[in-house]
Amino acid sequence: DAGVTQSPTHLIKTRGQQVTLRCSPKSGHDTVSWYQQALGQGPQFIFQYYEEEERQRGNFPDRFSGHQFPNYSSELNVNALLLGDSALYLCASSFSPGQGDEQFFGPGTRLTVL
Amino acid sequence: GQQLNQSPQSMFIQEGEDVSMNCTSSSIFNTWLWYKQDPGEGPVLLIALYKAGELTSNGRLTAQFGITRKDSFLNISASIPSDVGIYFCAGPFYGGSQGNLIFGKGTKLSVKP
Repeated sequence: DAGVTQSPTHLIKTRGQQVTLRCSPKSGHDTVSWYQQALGQGPQFIFQYYEEEERQRGNFPDRFSGHQFPNYSSELNVNALLLGDSALYLCASSFSPGQGDEQFFGPGTRLTVL
Repeated sequence: GQQLNQSPQSMFIQEGEDVSMNCTSSSIFNTWLWYKQDPGEGPVLLIALYKAGELTSNGRLTAQFGITRKDSFLNISASIPSDVGIYFCAGPFYGGSQGNLIFGKGTKLSVKP
């Protein structure tokens, strides 16, 4: 049973560029949430996708956008990258409804913006 | 807004010792989750708590859902070197029909063999 997978593992970009991160949820899960984790901090919620729509959004600018595909996989896009966007980006999946509060995380994508 | 406060921030203990850490909030939570994160990895769910007063164990780990619903505790008995990592508490913020998770800042555990 495959867990949550993310790609790529690491990414280096320069300011102003755009980036796309990908996530495949755990088998049987239909909800994908994205989190940003800065060094030394807990993960911060970016947004959540269910039935191919953004269901909830945290306090992140419109430069952060996403998409969910019919197979439940998801993408996170960040435009006009800033130095402060450097972080570990985590994808988490869950099953909705049911024990939707239990979210299972992937290994993350480490983004470095130079 | 809702915030989770974890303490202590870090712990240095001897192998074999027991560990206790806690998480508090000014708001009521209906669910408490405890995760462990190793360096360069994503958080791994250890224990989920759904009922006030609930005590749940997972091997050497025991967690409790505080009776006020504003706190939770995690205990690790007889620590071993692989317990090293950062432990996060988390709870769902019901901004919509499905809760997203709010995390504490973590408790960093170091174990001396």
